[in-house]
Amino acid sequence: QQQVKQSPQSLIVQKGGIPIINCAYENTAFDYFPWYQQFPGKGPALLIAIRPDVSEKKEGRFTISFNKSAKQFSLHIMDSQPGDSATYFCAASSYNAGNNRKLIWGLGTSLAVNP
Amino acid sequence: NAGVTQTPKFRVLKTGQSMTLLCAQDMNHEYMYWYRQDPGMGLRLIHYSVGEGTTAKGEVPDGYNVSRLKKQNFLLGLESAAPSQTSVYFCASSSDRDRDADTQYFGPGTRLTVL
Repeated sequence: QQQVKQSPQSLIVQKGGIPIINCAYENTAFDYFPWYQQFPGKGPALLIAIRPDVSEKKEGRFTISFNKSAKQFSLHIMDSQPGDSATYFCAASSYNAGNNRKLIWGLGTSLAVNP
Repeated sequence: NAGVTQTPKFRVLKTGQSMTLLCAQDMNHEYMYWYRQDPGMGLRLIHYSVGEGTTAKGEVPDGYNVSRLKKQNFLLGLESAAPSQTSVYFCASSSDRDRDADTQYFGPGTRLTVL
């Protein structure tokens, strides 16, 4: 059972478009929602993250929108560029039974931005 | 700072052979993780460690063993490789300091093929 459901699996947009990637979760104990970006041949790297006390966070052209009541969060990429072509993972974190932080991953979205 | 490094970058094994993947981090992180990444499957946690001398199973531990004899190193072993273990393996580390533990730093990956 996938605890964090990510969609779409793949996405193609034109340069300048605004790709939107969505994630949904069930566990209300999650209290941290990061997005990771992975370029081909590289490891994932933290892109942007949000905590549930705010509904939106912007960093440059990347924005997370968070809807606590719907248990959904999404990544928007403004004015997308070919260099944004990558795989994007959403994740959600909470404490596990051992009082350690545990990160649950979505399955990823492969984004291609055409010139 | 090199961050998280992985050795080797590529490896081809025959079924039944054994090997060890080495992960090293220079950020003094307590937590370390081993993931495998397969197309359409996202990142799946194999084993993790919350400190030197400790290890714990993730969601797909079968066929793998790990050791954390030194804080900076986390080894992943395959005792008898199977074609199903063909994958890209990523090591990651994070701090143990409460919410800093939510940010995982990834290595560049090891591409393993089992024939």
